[in-house]
Amino acid sequence: DVKVTQSSRYLVKRTGEKVFLECVQDMDHENMFWYRQDPGLGLRLIYFSYDVKMKEKGDIPEGYSVSREKKERFSLILESASTNQTSMYLCASGGQANTGELFFGEGSRLTVL
Amino acid sequence: TQLLEQSPQFLSIQEGENLTVYCNSSSVFSSLQWYRQEPGEGPVLLVTVVTGGEVKKLKRLTFQFGDARKDSSLHITAAQPGDTGLYLCAGEKTSYDKVIFGPGTSLSVIP
Repeated sequence: DVKVTQSSRYLVKRTGEKVFLECVQDMDHENMFWYRQDPGLGLRLIYFSYDVKMKEKGDIPEGYSVSREKKERFSLILESASTNQTSMYLCASGGQANTGELFFGEGSRLTVL
Repeated sequence: TQLLEQSPQFLSIQEGENLTVYCNSSSVFSSLQWYRQEPGEGPVLLVTVVTGGEVKKLKRLTFQFGDARKDSSLHITAAQPGDTGLYLCAGEKTSYDKVIFGPGTSLSVIP
């Protein structure tokens, strides 16, 4: 079974704290993605990576950064969390011959107080 | 502006009923995917359609890609409570584009 694992299902942080969300995939996929999902706004792409040490901005990168030091691991970093970053964060991976098929983790529900 | 529109936004039906949800765009897509997302979980890929007019079946679910590759439908026969969830369509206009997601149809099947 293919698997995308996100490090935390639920997190509660305070405004200004640094937040790390980690994602690991075991499918040897080149492509990895971070989305956030909010009611009424759907899935919005934050950052993606097509290879180790490569990163590309998605549609809403402000306030976020990412790291991809190893092929299987893609981390999302909130340098200084704010209340408007309270959301469900979803990591996904996809193969190099990108047909648009993505495999998602279970999600990380972040609450910033 | 949503490149992929989905309708209806919400749907509540009784167990055993049939239903169809739609995914529409003014753009041509090289492929479209359907995902189901249960509350508190990540989306799970159900199917990919790539050829205009293509029909795929997955047990009680039937997926169709429009002839012009601008729209798709998902038909569920004899819905069951286990079908409850958010149904997302997604696609890419070319193999070099990012995947675009629709806003989803939230389905509730009442026992």
